[in-house]
Amino acid sequence: ILNVEQSPQSLHVQEGDSTNFTCSFPSSNFYALHWYRWETAKSPEALFVMTLNGDEKKKGRISATLNTKEGYSYLYIKGSQPEDSATYLCAFWAGTYKYIFGTGTRLKVLA
Amino acid sequence: DAGVIQSPRHEVTEMGQEVTLRCKPISGHDYLFWYRQTMMRGLELLIYFNNNVPIDDSGMPEDRFSAKMPNASFSTLKIQPSEPRDSAVYFCASSLEGGGGTEAFFGQGTRLTVV
Repeated sequence: ILNVEQSPQSLHVQEGDSTNFTCSFPSSNFYALHWYRWETAKSPEALFVMTLNGDEKKKGRISATLNTKEGYSYLYIKGSQPEDSATYLCAFWAGTYKYIFGTGTRLKVLA
Repeated sequence: DAGVIQSPRHEVTEMGQEVTLRCKPISGHDYLFWYRQTMMRGLELLIYFNNNVPIDDSGMPEDRFSAKMPNASFSTLKIQPSEPRDSAVYFCASSLEGGGGTEAFFGQGTRLTVV
């Protein structure tokens, strides 16, 4: 059974704070790790596609790192804003071409 | 392209009735996924197709669930007979390729309520 775990489950931060969350995945049979942002009443939208060990991706105030050998990825948000409030999902592409999602980290940024 | 299109957006049905959810993937995408969103498990993979062929249906909860992809532009997820515990949001997603080189694109979801 492929297990993709995210922590913390939920997080409240003040506007302007920086924050980070973790995605853990099996280190074997790795193909890719994706991060998504999921706003309430919408569908998930991709943030990053990461395929190589040591990958670092950045989009504005959001960045992500990848360690395939130890099986984790971090997502960082610098200077959180209320509009960053959403659920952040990671998704793991396994060698069997299964695409498994973590349960997400729900972020609430307080103004 | 209009993106992944799911229909209906909302479905309310009585226990025991047959329910059919529909999905049109993005043209040219080889992979199609069906997910169910629940509070306990988040996005749960039910089944996925590659080039219209079901590859893995181990996530389908019971024999009451079935999925088909008769051609590259259409897929259905059917529940027969439906039960109240099937109430959830069902998402369809498509991806250009396997292996994770490209992300998946999601439809807007179908919110199913079985009463």
